[in-house]
Amino acid sequence: NAGVTQTPKFQVLKTGQSMTLQCAQDMNHEYMSWYRQDPGMGLRLIHYSVGAGITDQGEVPNGYNVSRSTTEDFPLRLLSAAPSQTSVYFCASSPRTGGRNSPLHFGNGTRLTVT
Amino acid sequence: KQEVTQIPAALSVPEGENLVLNCSFTDSAIYNLQWFRQDPGKGLTSLLLIQSSQREQTSGRLNASLDKSSGRSTLYIAASQPGDSATYLCAVETGANNLFFGTGTRLTVIP
Repeated sequence: NAGVTQTPKFQVLKTGQSMTLQCAQDMNHEYMSWYRQDPGMGLRLIHYSVGAGITDQGEVPNGYNVSRSTTEDFPLRLLSAAPSQTSVYFCASSPRTGGRNSPLHFGNGTRLTVT
Repeated sequence: KQEVTQIPAALSVPEGENLVLNCSFTDSAIYNLQWFRQDPGKGLTSLLLIQSSQREQTSGRLNASLDKSSGRSTLYIAASQPGDSATYLCAVETGANNLFFGTGTRLTVIP
């Protein structure tokens, strides 16, 4: 079982460059989300989606775009990378069938460094 | 804004000891509280989810309790093993499809 797959595992960007972090899940989950994890801080929600064609902002959305054209994929786009976006990024999904009380399934993360 | 605190930040115990990890949150209007485990360089693995109407959940050697009115949860690990060494995170889910995470407790179980 693949679960939630994130690519790449590591990425180094220069300030101003753009890139897309990929996230795919094979569990037919309705809900998908992106978090960033920074030292000394809890994970913070960037964007989330409750189904194909539906996205919404989380706590820290500035500088990031998302789209959800299929149930399986939820890419995160950095429009113009900044050093403040150096972080570990996690994608997570959940079935959400019957409501909110379904545990999240996480990918293994993408470690991004912006120089 | 919801704030989640986990104390202690790090804990080291000898193998076989029972231990308790603590989590507190500031706003009791939550849908659920979840406990996760994170191994170095890995993603988070869900351990237990307690719905807001529940008081506790159990899975194997793990037992999590929730006192919503006081804004507290505990994760009890019985008979700890070296394989339990990891960072444990708690998170509360609010009405905005958002989970608010604590910064975690790094547990080391010494053989």
